[in-house]
Amino acid sequence: AQSVTQLGSHVSVSEGALVLLRCNYSSSVPPYLFWYVQYPNQGLQLLLKYTSAATLVKGINGFEAEFKKSETSFHLTKPSAHMSDAAEYFCAVSGSNTGKLIFGQGTTLQVKP
Amino acid sequence: EAGVAQSPRYKIIEKRQSVAFWCNPISGHATLYWYQQILGQGPKLLIQFQNNGVVDDSQLPKDRFSAERLKGVDSTLKIQPAKLEDSAVYLCASSYHVDPFNEQFFGPGTRLTVL
Repeated sequence: AQSVTQLGSHVSVSEGALVLLRCNYSSSVPPYLFWYVQYPNQGLQLLLKYTSAATLVKGINGFEAEFKKSETSFHLTKPSAHMSDAAEYFCAVSGSNTGKLIFGQGTTLQVKP
Repeated sequence: EAGVAQSPRYKIIEKRQSVAFWCNPISGHATLYWYQQILGQGPKLLIQFQNNGVVDDSQLPKDRFSAERLKGVDSTLKIQPAKLEDSAVYLCASSYHVDPFNEQFFGPGTRLTVL
């Protein structure tokens, strides 16, 4: 069975500050891990994905995430927050052959001016 | 390249009524997914199609929910009769084919309110 836990349902940072959104996973098979972003009234958009090629993954809009097997983590970071980063962020795991995604409960990022 | 299209965007119904949602995936995408996203939660897979065949419908409440993908392109998700707890956003997604590392492309969703 696979699962994802996102620590912190709300994260608030100041513009220009470091963004850190936490994700821990559980998987009985080597996982594929994803971060998606959802802006209000829109669908989900892929930020980045880990597929075992490299442990440090760079995504769009300056985001990156590091896969740490020993910690079963895949935290999302961005060095400097921008107002446009305010959104809901979802971590997801896929390990079955069907490509089924198991999502965490989401983290709302607030960016203060 | 056109994205995943969904309609309607919003729907309000009374409990026990029926409702249907439509999805048109990205051209050439063989795999189509329907997710239910309840407020404050992450999306949960309801059903997955590969072309016009069902790959996974283990979490679809089959006593009230049904879905079809005729001709392996468009898909319709139906709820009959609706319950209050069905209030959610219904997201459709598509991917090129069934694969654990394929990116899924999401539509804007249909927000359902059941009164």
